Amino acid sequence: NAGVTQTPKFRVLKTGQSMTLLCAQDMNHEYMYWYRQDPGMGLRLIHYSVGEGTTAKGEVPDGYNVSRLKKQNFLLGLESAAPSQTSVYFCASSFGGTQYFGPGTRLTVL
Amino acid sequence: SQELEQSPQSLIVQEGKNLTINCTSSKTLYGLYWYKQKYGEGLIFLMMLQKGGEEKSHEKITAKLDEKKQQSSLHITASQPSHAGIYLCGADIGTGGFKTIFGAGTRLFVKA
Repeated sequence: NAGVTQTPKFRVLKTGQSMTLLCAQDMNHEYMYWYRQDPGMGLRLIHYSVGEGTTAKGEVPDGYNVSRLKKQNFLLGLESAAPSQTSVYFCASSFGGTQYFGPGTRLTVL
Repeated sequence: SQELEQSPQSLIVQEGKNLTINCTSSKTLYGLYWYKQKYGEGLIFLMMLQKGGEEKSHEKITAKLDEKKQQSSLHITASQPSHAGIYLCGADIGTGGFKTIFGAGTRLFVKA
């Protein structure tokens, strides 16, 4: 079992560029999440999904879009990156309340 | 919005010493989770507490949830360098366990 994997691990974007972060899990979990982690602010929920084909907004959804076309994948998109989106992004999936996290993607927007 | 307050923000202890990290909410917590994050890596699940007064232990780490389910503590006995990292508490704020909020984390440094 690979668990939760994220690609890429690092990325540098220029303001206005777009990109997609991929999260994949092989545990057959229904629930998946995207968080961002910023210094002193802990983890903040961006979007989440309770099953294939469903998505919902979290605490800080502005500037991001998501899709869950397949149960095992949860994509996070930035259409027009801004410096405020510089952060470490974590994907997670859950079963029975316990969340399993990916290794993170460090994104810098210049 | 409901928040989780963690204290202290950072902690430096000598190897072999005991330490406690606290996580507090102004509202009842439906589920309380403790995670550890090594610097630059993802979060690793440590323990989950659900019942008031519940206590769980894993190796040298013990977590407790108070009777009112508004405060949890994480206690490490005889700390080791391998315990160093960021400890985060998380709590369910909705039914179904799919909406979790997190504290800002406690950075633990262990001096050898």
